[in-house]
Amino acid sequence: SQTIHQWPATLVQPVGSPLSLECTVEGTSNPNLYWYRQAAGRGLQLLFYSVGIGQISSEVPQNLSASRPQDRQFILSSKKLLLSDSGFYLCAWSVRLGWELFFGSGTQLSVL
Amino acid sequence: EDQVTQSPEALRLQEGESSSLNCSYTVSGLRGLFWYRQDPGKGPEFLFTLYSAGEEKEKERLKATLTKKESFLHITAPKPEDSATYLCAGPGSARQLTFGSGTQLTVLP
Repeated sequence: SQTIHQWPATLVQPVGSPLSLECTVEGTSNPNLYWYRQAAGRGLQLLFYSVGIGQISSEVPQNLSASRPQDRQFILSSKKLLLSDSGFYLCAWSVRLGWELFFGSGTQLSVL
Repeated sequence: EDQVTQSPEALRLQEGESSSLNCSYTVSGLRGLFWYRQDPGKGPEFLFTLYSAGEEKEKERLKATLTKKESFLHITAPKPEDSATYLCAGPGSARQLTFGSGTQLTVLP
């Protein structure tokens, strides 16, 4: 069966510090991979998605970037965090031609 | 513009008190409607996919239905463990799901 791992679960970072969140998927090949952000009490906002190694599409211009160095690994990064980057970050995967998303457990990021 | 709207924003029920959550959408070329359950501090858990008007799917005390313009998530005789935020989503353009803001359900014992 497929599983998705996302870490860390919580993170407190000062403004201006770098960020690296990692997500890996097991039990499937060639998945589509996604990064979402969820603000408190609001819906999910798509940040990035990837259909293959090195292929990243950005939905929202911002202080963040994403990379996919391996087929089942997706990384969310920032060189300098802003207060507005605080939120709940979710990694998700889907099969290549499917729409159903399967989410990781999320990372609660607090930028202070 | 693709839009998914959920109502109510919050719902409090007594244990055993059945009710329905609504999801209306204006997603062009709808290719499915998805329901998720999200517990506090966790990622959304996939519940159902509905592809065509008239389709229904059930899981325990939950039943999802779909019309041409909206979907309902019916909760029959809910229990406190059904308390969660329920999200619906529709596939929009550019290979992404458009999510509603969710309905926060609280079931009181």
